[in-house]
Amino acid sequence: KQEVTQIPAALSVPEGENLVLNCSFTDSAIYNLQWFRQDPGKGLTSLLLIQSSQREQTSGRLNASLDKSSGRSTLYIAASQPGDSATYLCAVKSGAVDSSYKLIFGSGTRLLVRP
Amino acid sequence: NAGVTQTPKFQVLKTGQSMTLQCAQDMNHNSMYWYRQDPGMGLRLIYYSASEGTTDKGEVPNGYNVSRLNKREFSLRLESAAPSQTSVYFCASSEPRTTNEKLFFGSGTQLSVL
Repeated sequence: KQEVTQIPAALSVPEGENLVLNCSFTDSAIYNLQWFRQDPGKGLTSLLLIQSSQREQTSGRLNASLDKSSGRSTLYIAASQPGDSATYLCAVKSGAVDSSYKLIFGSGTRLLVRP
Repeated sequence: NAGVTQTPKFQVLKTGQSMTLQCAQDMNHNSMYWYRQDPGMGLRLIYYSASEGTTDKGEVPNGYNVSRLNKREFSLRLESAAPSQTSVYFCASSEPRTTNEKLFFGSGTQLSVL
């Protein structure tokens, strides 16, 4: 059974710092991996999607990498800003046929960027 | 562009009452999902609909029913609410098996069952 873990559960950094959020998964047979952002009281917004054949995806100050063999993904945020404060979740879509439409979510990392 | 719209945003029920959560998407997506989010447990899939006319159980389906009314709409029904169903519920949609099958979420329904 696929399990997704995000450590740490919470992170506080000063503005301007570059930071890395971690996501690990137990079954390397994945189809893709997504990183989401969730603001308090709001829904999730998909930030980046990495297909299993890809190593990384970039969008602005965000860069997500994927290493299937080690069961890890990282989300790199460059030059962090207070507006980046939110909870970041990763989700894995398993490569198993019977779970084609199911994402397994981590519990998220709550990020606070201090001015 | 509205994306995924959920109603209501908040609801308080008494144990044993019933209610239906409504969800509609305007992105012409084939697949729709209902998740619940509980502190410390992440998001868990309740039911999903791979395409119009089909529905399947997710990880935590007990106590819920769904209806895929048409391609746009996917509703979630609680027949007899229990305190354990107090949670935040999210509807989502996607177009799977494409190069960009990102999941789009509604803003959520905060449900309290007393």
